[in-house]
Amino acid sequence: ILNVEQSPQSLHVQEGDSTNFTCSFPSSNFYALHWYRWETAKSPEALFVMTLNGDEKKKGRISATLNTKEGYSYLYIKGSQPEDSATYLCAFHMDTGRRALTFGSGTRLQVQP
Amino acid sequence: DGGITQSPKYLFRKEGQNVTLSCEQNLNHDAMYWYRQDPGQGLRLIYYSQIVNDFQKGDIAEGYSVSREKKESFPLTVTSAQKNPTAFYLCASSIIVTDSDTEAFFGQGTRLTVV
Repeated sequence: ILNVEQSPQSLHVQEGDSTNFTCSFPSSNFYALHWYRWETAKSPEALFVMTLNGDEKKKGRISATLNTKEGYSYLYIKGSQPEDSATYLCAFHMDTGRRALTFGSGTRLQVQP
Repeated sequence: DGGITQSPKYLFRKEGQNVTLSCEQNLNHDAMYWYRQDPGQGLRLIYYSQIVNDFQKGDIAEGYSVSREKKESFPLTVTSAQKNPTAFYLCASSIIVTDSDTEAFFGQGTRLTVV
């Protein structure tokens, strides 16, 4: 079973704080790394799909970086807002064998107004 | 509107009964997936299918069965052999492309409770 780990498990921040999460994944057989946001009572939605070492992607106040050689990705949220409260999932896609995403257990973010 | 539809949203089952969860997509996606979520855990892969009439086991396939007779549909049967079936089940789909990767789209989920 592939090991995809996320830290921290949960995070409480104040509105306006910047924050970041980590996703660790196998550094061999890399194909892609995905980030999803999962709000309560909704379906998970994709934030980023990253495929190249050194990739940096940005969507509004949220950005992500990727290091495939050492097997980690960071997700950053600048100036957190209450609407950023959600569980953030990363998922690893390998290039051989299993062609399906393996998810980490997620980081649950709570932003206090 | 294109999307993935899972039904029902809530399902109650008596111990010893099989039950089938529905997943339909009208996105013309090649691949479909079933994941299970338990409290405090991430999504664990049950089965996936990349093409009609073909599917592969995921990490926790025991006690489950699937079929992929049509591109749009990927039903999941939870059999009586599944020891702890109470969980939240998510269906997803994605396009398959070569030399790149695409995001997965998810349904709203089915919460199954065994009583």
